[in-house]
Amino acid sequence: SQTIHQWPATLVQPVGSPLSLECTVEGTSNPNLYWYRQAAGRGLQLLFYSVGIGQISSEVPQNLSASRPQDRQFILSSKKLLLSDSGFYLCAWSFHGRQSYEQYFGPGTRLTVT
Amino acid sequence: AQKITQTQPGMFVQEKEAVTLDCTYDTSDPSYGLFWYKQPSSGEMIFLIYQGSYDQQNATEGRYSLNFQKARKSANLVISASQLGDSAMYFCAMREGGDNYGQNFVFGPGTRLSVLP
Repeated sequence: SQTIHQWPATLVQPVGSPLSLECTVEGTSNPNLYWYRQAAGRGLQLLFYSVGIGQISSEVPQNLSASRPQDRQFILSSKKLLLSDSGFYLCAWSFHGRQSYEQYFGPGTRLTVT
Repeated sequence: AQKITQTQPGMFVQEKEAVTLDCTYDTSDPSYGLFWYKQPSSGEMIFLIYQGSYDQQNATEGRYSLNFQKARKSANLVISASQLGDSAMYFCAMREGGDNYGQNFVFGPGTRLSVLP
């Protein structure tokens, strides 16, 4: 079976500090990978998706970036955090080529920028 | 324009009763998928059920069923025999297009369901 991990679970960072959130998937190969952000009490906003190693597409221009250095590893980064970057960050994966394309989510990282 | 509308910010249901959570969608693409997710207070998004635009029958998964009315662009989630553990936020989502990598995935604002003992 497949498993998705995210860490850290919670993070408190000062404005202007760097960020690195990591996501890994086990039990499948060549998954599609996604980063979402959820503001408090709101729905999900897609930030980045990746269909393969080194292939990143951005949905929303911002001071965040993503990288996929390995097949099942997805990293969300920032050089300088803003207060508006606070939120709940969710990583997700889906089967490559599967028609339904349902996405499976990790446990999330709750980021507070102070 | 909102692609996914969930008009019920909050819903209450008595334990063991059935409940319907509303979802309407907007797309001009003939090929699309509709999904429901559950988000308990822990934050993890749990996939519940999927309905494809070309599926002739309504999807069912255990106590969950999706009431798909294509002409009305409606995809309501029905939960039968509610349990206390069903208390959570519920999100309706849509994927547009049949030949992509799932990046066109849009979520609604969610409905908070509270199951009363």
